[in-house]
Amino acid sequence: GQNIDQPTEMTATEGAIVQINCTYQTSGFNGLFWYQQHAGEAPTFLSYNVLDGLEEKGRFSSFLSRSKGYSYLLLKELQMKDSASYLCAVTASGGSYIPTFGRGTSLIVHP
Amino acid sequence: DTEVTQTPKHLVMGMTNKKSLKCEQHMGHRAMYWYKQKAKKPPELMFVYSYEKLSINESVPSRFSPECPNSSLLNLHLHALQPEDSALYLCASSTQDSNQPQHFGDGTRLSIL
Repeated sequence: GQNIDQPTEMTATEGAIVQINCTYQTSGFNGLFWYQQHAGEAPTFLSYNVLDGLEEKGRFSSFLSRSKGYSYLLLKELQMKDSASYLCAVTASGGSYIPTFGRGTSLIVHP
Repeated sequence: DTEVTQTPKHLVMGMTNKKSLKCEQHMGHRAMYWYKQKAKKPPELMFVYSYEKLSINESVPSRFSPECPNSSLLNLHLHALQPEDSALYLCASSTQDSNQPQHFGDGTRLSIL
């Protein structure tokens, strides 16, 4: 099985930087996804990491350390619209392309 | 707008009713999924279809019955549901590559009276 852990809730100020962590324990790691989900809406894909290092996409970056079973999502220049749930999901050889989701981190951005 | 379309967006039904949720995608994805999501919780996998065949059933009660009529459509038939089944039901599709993301529909908000 897989065990994925991320904080339940975080708060941050508009314009600031926030880092959302995700740790996982799995055998046969295939890759790690980050999704954003606004309340009552569909999860939308943000990033994918399979190799160690940082992937940057505009204001959002995602980092992976396979040896530590650790990833983070970095959000810069926070905007009010970034208030959402952020889901970390891992694929592994046991389930191949089917991801296992963490519980999600609810991010609240305040003025 | 999402590339996965779900209907209806909202559904209210009694415990004795029979209804169906529908999902459609035209991205050529051969894997399709049903998830149940409660408030402030992650999506919970229910069923996975691979090439129109049911490949995973996560011990879902038989009052939920999935169907995949063709490679673009996925249905979830509902019968004799319980109040605790009230949730957001999400459909998703993907390729069968482990490095490709899932594409989710906006979901059906289901309320059981």
